[in-house]
Amino acid sequence: AQSVTQLDSHVSVSEGTPVLLRCNYSSSYSPSLFWYVQHPNKGLQLLLKYTSAATLVKGINGFEAEFKKSETSFHLTKPSAHMSDAAEYFCVVSETGSGGYQKVTFGTGTKLQVIP
Amino acid sequence: GAVVSQHPSWVICKSGTSVKIECRSLDFQATTMFWYRQFPKQSLMLMATSNEGSKATYEQGVEKDKFLINHASLTLSTLTVTSAHPEDSSFYICSASAGQGTNEQYFGPGTRLTVT
Repeated sequence: AQSVTQLDSHVSVSEGTPVLLRCNYSSSYSPSLFWYVQHPNKGLQLLLKYTSAATLVKGINGFEAEFKKSETSFHLTKPSAHMSDAAEYFCVVSETGSGGYQKVTFGTGTKLQVIP
Repeated sequence: GAVVSQHPSWVICKSGTSVKIECRSLDFQATTMFWYRQFPKQSLMLMATSNEGSKATYEQGVEKDKFLINHASLTLSTLTVTSAHPEDSSFYICSASAGQGTNEQYFGPGTRLTVT
């Protein structure tokens, strides 16, 4: 079974302070994990992805995430929040089953608010 | 690279009519395409996955006779909402994957469907 849990529906940080968006997953196979960002009235943009290479993944706009298999987590972090980071963030797990069928599950999303 | 387009971006139709939404991968061949539905302020819900040349695989609870998906070529997939009702009003998003083991999806900008 495959599932994704984003532990916080809403996170509020002050500009210049660190950001932590939490994501836990479960997967029957070796999963690929992604973080996407969705700004208001905009399409989804890939921030970063983990595909069984380095466990610490660096993405765009200063974001990074660490894949921790023992904790089944893939938390998204950024050292210093910027006003432009305010958006909805989705954690996504994807796996390819034995039949070649690709299964994808989106987390429920975390809305990041950045306070000036 | 890896651009996915959707057409139309916005459509209004009357109850009982059918609406077709196109999803195109503009600069790559998409072995797999996905259709999602997103309600306001909610996460994306995967509706179905389609591989070129084969029937789509629908998620549990999605009516295949109502949401017809065709993936006739490696660059085009269509979603037809048949006999639309107001409750079908939503934001429909497609994504495409080139496969090759990355499982990375490239998202279209979405189509806003309003059924009156």
